[in-house]
Amino acid sequence: GENVEQHPSTLSVQEGDSAVIKCTYSDSASNYFPWYKQELGKRPQLIIDIRSNVGEKKDQRIAVTLNKTAKHFSLHITETQPEDSAVYFCAASRGDYKLSFGAGTTVTVRA
Amino acid sequence: DAGVIQSPRHEVTEMGQEVTLRCKPISGHDYLFWYRQTMMRGLELLIYFNNNVPIDDSGMPEDRFSAKMPNASFSTLKIQPSEPRDSAVYFCASSWGTGGNEQFFGPGTRLTVL
Repeated sequence: GENVEQHPSTLSVQEGDSAVIKCTYSDSASNYFPWYKQELGKRPQLIIDIRSNVGEKKDQRIAVTLNKTAKHFSLHITETQPEDSAVYFCAASRGDYKLSFGAGTTVTVRA
Repeated sequence: DAGVIQSPRHEVTEMGQEVTLRCKPISGHDYLFWYRQTMMRGLELLIYFNNNVPIDDSGMPEDRFSAKMPNASFSTLKIQPSEPRDSAVYFCASSWGTGGNEQFFGPGTRLTVL
């Protein structure tokens, strides 16, 4: 089955700096790559996703890039704010709706 | 829409007892997923349904776990008998079969087995 690896496991950044989280996947048939944000004690919520026919996607301060050849994708958060502090999960799916999640990255934004 | 609804939000039980977790997906969604989240294992997919039919239950840890979806608006995850290692947060999620794969998560049920 699909194996998704996520790095780093923890990330501390100064407010206003950028944060980058990287994920690799094993199944070349995967074609959908969402990112979920989970605040402490809350449910995971989708923040951005990308499909295999697109190399990059942006939504305000967040962006995701996908390199199908290398089988990796990344989340970029610019101008980080305290409310960006959370656990971020990447995931991959081959279109059968079954998501395989990475282990998560705990992001802490220092004021 | 109220989103995905799960009950109970918290459950504390003793080892050996039966536990039933409940989920109401978003109306119109035809996929329903059950996940377990622990610090050690992260977010694990246990089972998912399409149009009330179980499609993949390969993530169900053992025979003590069972899930049903008797209709489009209700699903249960049952653990019998429960064990301390079952302690986790259990999330239900739902999605549309077309128009994208976004999964909408419920608030979760925090299960503690003593």
